[in-house]
Order: sequence, then C-alpha cells, then structure tokens
Amino acid sequence: ETGVTQTPRHLVMGMTNKKSLKCEQHLGHNAMYWYKQSAKKPLELMFVYNFKEQTENNSVPSRFSPECPNSSHLFLHLHTLQPEDSALYLCASSHIDRGANEKLFFGSGTQLSVL
Amino acid sequence: DAKTTQPPSMDCAEGRAANLPCNHSTISGNEYVYWYRQIHSQGPQYIIHGLKNNETNEMASLIITEDRKSSTLILPHATLRDTAVYYCIGRGGGTSYGKLTFGQGTILTVHP
Repeated sequence: ETGVTQTPRHLVMGMTNKKSLKCEQHLGHNAMYWYKQSAKKPLELMFVYNFKEQTENNSVPSRFSPECPNSSHLFLHLHTLQPEDSALYLCASSHIDRGANEKLFFGSGTQLSVL
Repeated sequence: DAKTTQPPSMDCAEGRAANLPCNHSTISGNEYVYWYRQIHSQGPQYIIHGLKNNETNEMASLIITEDRKSSTLILPHATLRDTAVYYCIGRGGGTSYGKLTFGQGTILTVHP
C-alpha cells in the first residue's frame, strides 16, 4: 500500500464513451501527476499539478482532460479516445520542497483498453 | 536531465547481492540520482536517491563514484520478490519536481 489509490483498476471503453479515472492520495502531499505507460514503452509524464494548479501539460491531446479539485484528489476525464490510447495510466504524488523533489509515490494504475 | 545507461537485463541468485550499475557521465553538479523499480503491472516504487555520498536505507544501498559519473544499486540479499524492472534516473533538484524521465531500465530476474 503506497498511500495512493486509483480507481478503477481496469477499464474497457468504446471510442465514443466518456469515462473518468480517479486518484486519491492519503499522504499529505502537495503535488500530483498523471503518467502513461504503453506496452513496451517507457513511462511518459502527462500532467503535473502543484498546489492544485496545473503546471505541466506534456503535449497531451485534448481528449484527455485532467482535474484537480484539491491537493488530495486528481481525475483524468476521457472522451473520444482511440485504440492507441490503450495503456496503463498511473497517478503519483509527492511533497514539493527545496531539496530532492522526485520522490514520487505511485498508485497501482488503471489498465485502460479502448475498443 | 542526465542521460543514463543501464544494462537491459541481469540475473541474480536468491540470497545473493544484486549489483545494478548505471552510467550517468553527463550528470551535472546539482542533479540527484534516483532509483525506482516496477514490478509487473504495478506502479513504480521509489527505492533510494543520492547526490554525492553513498546512501543506505531499508531497501538498498546506493554507491556513487567520486566523479559522479556512475552509480551502483545494491540489493544485499535478493529475494524472488525483487524481480522487477529497475530504473536509474538523473534529475535536477531545486525548483524541478516530479518530471521523471524513465528509460528502459534493467530487468532483474532473481532465480531460486
């Protein structure tokens, strides 16, 4: 148990569906992240939220829409996805300070399949 | 970020020490070396990080060469549960945060 909980664990959706991924952290962290891991590829950073403000959008298509209502919750809204968007979507959190800021805690991920 | 180079795969016998090397010859003075691992179908797990000095925690030890161009992650007594992909990442401190660049890592297989 990492203190970062993601739901659902698995998701199958059609290309016309709208769904949302949820992430919650119980660690008192002030930054949250979405990463994507496609099959046979390295993890890719998608979005960064620092103190609820989006500070990074790594050229992600608009069919992925993040939302961070507070420092403990992060959502990824999905609509009109493509089959190539099938991947493991990972949420992470960390505490930002002046030192080493890359100690991230990851959830178990949502395995997404787009049909 | 510093470019890192790791062997694609390694084997280790259960109970033995696993020594995973990482080359980061372009690392700059303020960049930390981080190690993560990812067990199949799970999220990455932070292991350890260091800047100049060797570090040890309950999971592993990190040995950084004096010139900081390479490091070694040591799992002192590997178990079957340590089978995973291990990532070495060079990342700056200061105002940067969370923007980890994961490479292909080293697939460590611990066998009985």
